[in-house]
Amino acid sequence: ETGVTQSPTHLIKTRGQQVTLRCSSQSGHNTVSWYQQALGQGPQFIFQYYREEENGRGNFPPRFSGLQFPNYSSELNVNALELDDSALYLCASSRLLSGANVLTFGAGSRLTVL
Amino acid sequence: EDKVVQSPLSLVVHEGDTVTLNCSYEVTNFRSLLWYKQEKKAPTFLFMLTSSGIEKKSGRLSSILDKKELFSILNITATQTGDSAVYLCAVVGGSQGNLIFGKGTKLSVKP
Repeated sequence: ETGVTQSPTHLIKTRGQQVTLRCSSQSGHNTVSWYQQALGQGPQFIFQYYREEENGRGNFPPRFSGLQFPNYSSELNVNALELDDSALYLCASSRLLSGANVLTFGAGSRLTVL
Repeated sequence: EDKVVQSPLSLVVHEGDTVTLNCSYEVTNFRSLLWYKQEKKAPTFLFMLTSSGIEKKSGRLSSILDKKELFSILNITATQTGDSAVYLCAVVGGSQGNLIFGKGTKLSVKP
């Protein structure tokens, strides 16, 4: 089975620009979550998508938005980039089961904002 | 506010040593606790714990959960250089039912 794949692996943007990060879920998984991991920190929950709708969101401003497509792939969009948005963005997929949530993570997209 | 606290934040040992990593949590609506290993980028799953007192084992790694005292430990025996990584503890819970991570413990195993 294929794992979670993310693209691009690295990118550099400047303040104020917009970025789109992409994620393909592991085969058989129907839920995708996005996490932001700043250097030296644990991953922070951004949001989760299930059946193409956002069904959970962390403490991130509206300029962080996402999509989930019928094939369960997903995009994370960030508008009006700020320096503090520099981080590793991790996508994770899972098969939504009550009481269990073992996420399979991708290798991440490293975003640098200058 | 929900939080997960790991200690120590970093640890340097020599091959063959045994290490214990700690994770304490204060999370509403607790469902489970997970351990991940992060070597370069993608965290890889190690254990999921839902019940107190039941040890999970995988080779030289083992973990246990205490839901009364709200903590978990991850033990690694006979450490190898390949165990060098950041070990992340995460709790499923909170208002969203998502993973709430600690900052991680950076383990360095010297030859």
